[in-house]
Amino acid sequence: AQSVTQPDIHITVSEGASLELRCNYSYGATPYLFWYVQSPGQGLQLLLKYFSGDTLVQGIKGFEAEFKRSQSSFNLRKPSVHWSDAAEYFCAVGGLSGNKLVFGAGTILRVKS
Amino acid sequence: ETGVTQSPTHLIKTRGQQVTLRCSSQSGHNTVSWYQQALGQGPQFIFQYYREEENGRGNFPPRFSGLQFPNYSSELKVNALELDDSALYLCASSSFQREAYEQYFGPGTRLTVT
Repeated sequence: AQSVTQPDIHITVSEGASLELRCNYSYGATPYLFWYVQSPGQGLQLLLKYFSGDTLVQGIKGFEAEFKRSQSSFNLRKPSVHWSDAAEYFCAVGGLSGNKLVFGAGTILRVKS
Repeated sequence: ETGVTQSPTHLIKTRGQQVTLRCSSQSGHNTVSWYQQALGQGPQFIFQYYREEENGRGNFPPRFSGLQFPNYSSELKVNALELDDSALYLCASSSFQREAYEQYFGPGTRLTVT
């Protein structure tokens, strides 16, 4: 069965430091990959997506992610974190039957000043 | 461009009751998907509607049902509510012709079952 693993439940970084959130997926074919962000009490906002082509994708708010087929990974990165980036981040995989997205359990990002 | 909207924002129901949640899709989108997000978890796919018909379903019992209307808006109905149904219910819209997986989410409806 398809699955998404986000190994880190919580991550704390200092404002201005770099960030990398990990995501690994299990899927037989080439997946469609997504990162979403959720602020407390709110819905999900799409940060970026990978369908095909260049394995390094740029998203909104200065985020980027790199698809590595050999490692079944799609890690999210940001070179300099801002306090407003504190939120929960979800990795998701698509391309599955029923057009569903399968989400990881999320990583909560805390930013310390 | 109008985003995805959901109503109501919050809802409190008693076990055994029925509830109906509503979703208006983003302009230009014709597909609606519903997800359940329990506290501390990622969203779980309930089902998707396209052309007013169910186009895929996750591992949810039949007491979870849906509708899609000609204007692409949608309803999620849950019968015989259980305590475990307490969750944030998210609606997402997409364009089936472009990429049905590129889904845009509404703010959600927080359902509490007591």
